[in-house]
Amino acid sequence: DTEVTQTPKHLVMGMTNKKSLKCEQHMGHRAMYWYKQKAKKPPELMFVYSYEKLSINESVPSRFSPECPNSSLLNLHLHALQPEDSALYLCASSQLPTTAGNTIYFGEGSWLTVV
Amino acid sequence: GENVEQHPSTLSVQEGDSAVIKCTYSDSASNYFPWYKQELGKGPQLIIDIRSNVGEKKDQRIAVTLNKTAKHFSLHITETQPEDSAVYFCAVHPQGAQKLVFGQGTRLTINP
Repeated sequence: DTEVTQTPKHLVMGMTNKKSLKCEQHMGHRAMYWYKQKAKKPPELMFVYSYEKLSINESVPSRFSPECPNSSLLNLHLHALQPEDSALYLCASSQLPTTAGNTIYFGEGSWLTVV
Repeated sequence: GENVEQHPSTLSVQEGDSAVIKCTYSDSASNYFPWYKQELGKGPQLIIDIRSNVGEKKDQRIAVTLNKTAKHFSLHITETQPEDSAVYFCAVHPQGAQKLVFGQGTRLTINP
C-alpha cells in the first residue's frame, strides 16, 4: 500500500496565525519531502528529510518551519504567512533519498489559503 | 542544472484515440524518469516510470519510451478514456541529486 496521508485537506489562516500541516506514511520510507504547488505549475521542492534529518532546504523563507518527529511523521509549521503563500502543499516520501532514483509517492495535499 | 521541457502544454483527443506527451532533458547522467498524473484537486499519482538501462516499458494502456542518445522520453496512452483527462507531469532524476526536476505539465482532455 503506497499511501501518504496529509491533514488537514483544507486550511484557511490569517497572516498572524500559527498553524501546522501534518503528514504520515507507514511504508517504512526513510526520505520525506515537502513540495509547494501553485495553480497550473509543477510541484516545487521545499524540504527533504533523510533518515529524520533535514538534508535539503531550497532557500525557503523561515516562516515555513519543517519538523520530522520520527520516521513516519512530517510536519510543516506555518507562521506569519503572506497571501502569496496560498497554494497546495504536498507531502511525499520515498524508500530512500532519491540519489538512487527511488520512486517518490505523493499525498493528496493540503490546500492552504492565507487571508 | 537539469532542464526539462514538456510538450504539448495542452492536448485534446477523441475518446479511443491515442495520446503522446514528450519530454526532453539536458543532463545525460540523469537515470530515472517517472510520469505523474494529477487529477483536479488531488496530489500527483505515479503512473509509470523508466530507468536509464531500459528503452521501453508498458503497463496495460500506458507505455513510456526512452531515447538516451537524444535525451528524450515519451508517454503513450492508447485507447483513451474520459478518466484519462488530467494534468500529466514528466520528471527527471539527475544522478546524485536528491530531487526530481519536473516538466511544466500537459493538460490532457479526452472528448467523448
